[in-house]
Amino acid sequence: AQTVTQSQPEMSVQEAETVTLSCTYDTSESDYYLFWYKQPPSRQMILVIRQEAYKQQNATENRFSVNFQKAAKSFSLKISDSQLGDAAMYFCAYRGYGGATNKLIFGTGTLLAVQP
Amino acid sequence: DAGVIQSPRHEVTEMGQEVTLRCKPISGHDYLFWYRQTMMRGLELLIYFNNNVPIDDSGMPEDRFSAKMPNASFSTLKIQPSEPRDSAVYFCASSPGTGGWGNQPQHFGDGTRLSIL
Repeated sequence: AQTVTQSQPEMSVQEAETVTLSCTYDTSESDYYLFWYKQPPSRQMILVIRQEAYKQQNATENRFSVNFQKAAKSFSLKISDSQLGDAAMYFCAYRGYGGATNKLIFGTGTLLAVQP
Repeated sequence: DAGVIQSPRHEVTEMGQEVTLRCKPISGHDYLFWYRQTMMRGLELLIYFNNNVPIDDSGMPEDRFSAKMPNASFSTLKIQPSEPRDSAVYFCASSPGTGGWGNQPQHFGDGTRLSIL
C-alpha cells in the first residue's frame, strides 16, 4: 500500500524568506501523480502544485516550486518570498496512475506559520 | 465557475440522530469523493463515485455510514445513528474524467464541520 509521510508537523518562516516543506512517499508503482494542497484556517483545500512522476522537470507555480526526487521518493515544496497569506496547513498527496487508483493518499500535514 | 458546494457548513446534533451531508460537484466532473478529516487520522477517503456509480467504499467506517449519488449533480453522505466519534470535518471533492486518469486534480468543497454531542 502507498504511504505519504510529512515529518515536519510545524514550520515557521519569516515574511519574504524561503521555506521548504518535506514529503516522502512509498510506492511500488512507476507512474503516479503528486500534489501539494494548502488548507488555510478557512479549511478550504486548495491545490498548490502538482507533478507527474514521468516528468523529470520540477513543477513550478509562481512562488511555489517542487524538488521531485523519484529515486529517493521525495517531493518537497519550496515557497519563495513567503507572504502572510501562505500561513496554512500544507498536505502532500499521492495518486496512482490507471486502474482503480484514483484515490488521493494524504500525508499528515505541516502547519506553516509566517512571521511578519 | 461555481466550485464544489457542500451543505450544511456546520452541523451540531445529538448522538443517535440521523445526519445527512450534501454535495453538489462541479458541473461536468465525472468523479466525486467523500473525505473525513480528524486530528487523529488526518484526511481519509471514505468513498468515491464515477459517473454516479460507487467505485470504492472501502473507507466507509461501518454500516452506519452510507452514501448515494442519484444524479450527476448531487450526492449525500448519511450517518444513522450518529455517534460522538463521528465528529469531524467532512469534505466532498470532484474531478473531471479525461478518458484516462490523467493528472486532473480534485477540487474540494469547503467542508461540513459535524459535531455529535
